Amino acid sequence: QSALTQPRSVSGSPGQSVTISCTGTSSDVGGYNYVSWYQQHPGKAPKLMIYDVSKRPSGVPDRFSGSKSGNTASLTISGLQAEDEADYYCCSYAGRYTSVFGGGTKLTVL
Amino acid sequence: QVTLKESGPVLVKPTETLTLTCTVSGFSLSNAKMGVSWIRQPPGKALEWLAHIFSNDEKSYSTSLKSRLTISKDTSKSRVVLTMTNMDPVDTATYYCARINDDTSGYAFDIWGQGTMVTVSS
Repeated sequence: QSALTQPRSVSGSPGQSVTISCTGTSSDVGGYNYVSWYQQHPGKAPKLMIYDVSKRPSGVPDRFSGSKSGNTASLTISGLQAEDEADYYCCSYAGRYTSVFGGGTKLTVL
Repeated sequence: QVTLKESGPVLVKPTETLTLTCTVSGFSLSNAKMGVSWIRQPPGKALEWLAHIFSNDEKSYSTSLKSRLTISKDTSKSRVVLTMTNMDPVDTATYYCARINDDTSGYAFDIWGQGTMVTVSS
């Protein structure tokens, strides 16, 4: 269960799009369609933004989308807004009912 | 309304055993589609999954911490308990409990508690 690899930081201007990658192995990201993404503002609990690779929970704006290719999953945020500035974590099912998180990505809205 | 709330000591000494409780409301721990995990986050660091318990009482643990962790539940009291033995200062973190709801959000943590900060220090 090694942590998934995410870029430490990404940035974009309001209205632009950014993509955050999440790289694992065939034992986690590549082996299952159970990748989820979480948004965490400072001092707050994480919030589910994407589940099962590309599905959005009710209430999450459609500016947030997810995808996966091989051992790498991606979160794309389009039409960046100031309130999107936060830390983002990916998470994958890793077999035998275990999960593994990524190292987190800090998104800065310029 | 679905909520989870963590409780436990704020401060523990090195080598002591930590016991944390997650009290849930708005759903039943006996629901076949539901499960609860414990996840922690050291200050300024990433989330780390620790353990999970299913409605049928099946349990799973982080490979690296398995020898120190025990997860259990009391369905009648709507509580999930995590114990971690031999605490060390590196275990200082905010500990969260979170729900998996296979009915609406697959294998993902759809609802989180507010977290409880635990400091390990003598």
